[in-house]
Amino acid sequence: GAGVSQTPSNKVTEKGKYVELRCDPISGHTALYWYRQSLGQGPEFLIYFQGTGAADDSGLPNDRFFAVRPEGSVSTLKIQRTERGDSAVYLCASRQGPQETQYFGPGTRLLVL
Amino acid sequence: DQQVKQNSPSLSVQEGRISILNCDYTNSMFDYFLWYKKYPAEGPTFLISISSIKDKNEDGRFTVFLNKSAKHLSLHIVPSQPGDSAVYFCAASQETSGSRLTFGEGTQLTVNP
Repeated sequence: GAGVSQTPSNKVTEKGKYVELRCDPISGHTALYWYRQSLGQGPEFLIYFQGTGAADDSGLPNDRFFAVRPEGSVSTLKIQRTERGDSAVYLCASRQGPQETQYFGPGTRLLVL
Repeated sequence: DQQVKQNSPSLSVQEGRISILNCDYTNSMFDYFLWYKKYPAEGPTFLISISSIKDKNEDGRFTVFLNKSAKHLSLHIVPSQPGDSAVYFCAASQETSGSRLTFGEGTQLTVNP
């Protein structure tokens, strides 16, 4: 079956611009996670949705970052006034329920010039 | 603070031999541990997991060992194959916190033919 998909696969933007990153989870998966991976590091948690609501957004680095999941399926990560330090791979994962494995998408590579 | 650590950034083994990847954690509340494999330009792929109530889980060539008293886990791959060459991430989670994953920094495994 189809896995987690993320678009775009690559995004180049200029400092100060606004970007949106999209995640399509595996069908039927109620939980959705966003992570960010910087070069040479492991992924770091950003935010977790259970259904439509953000159950834990404690990993968002500041108020320039925001994410939504209005219908409990597709999610969008939004970054305002991008900075060069936002350059990273943004990963999305989903899982079916408690004690189930998280499955990752291929990521969106964001480069802020 | 780094709650999950992989102290070896790289490991090189010969094809057919055993690969042992190590991981240490500090948070005693973690109750579920996973290993992911990552190829360049792809998202992490789930390999194997273990619950804190077990000390060993085996799946084909992959075995994960958990030593709770030492807060240490390891992944054994035997026999190693060139296709196993990738970055391996150790991750830990706590079910009561929504199972957000905390990752180590990763270990680059190279299996030489």
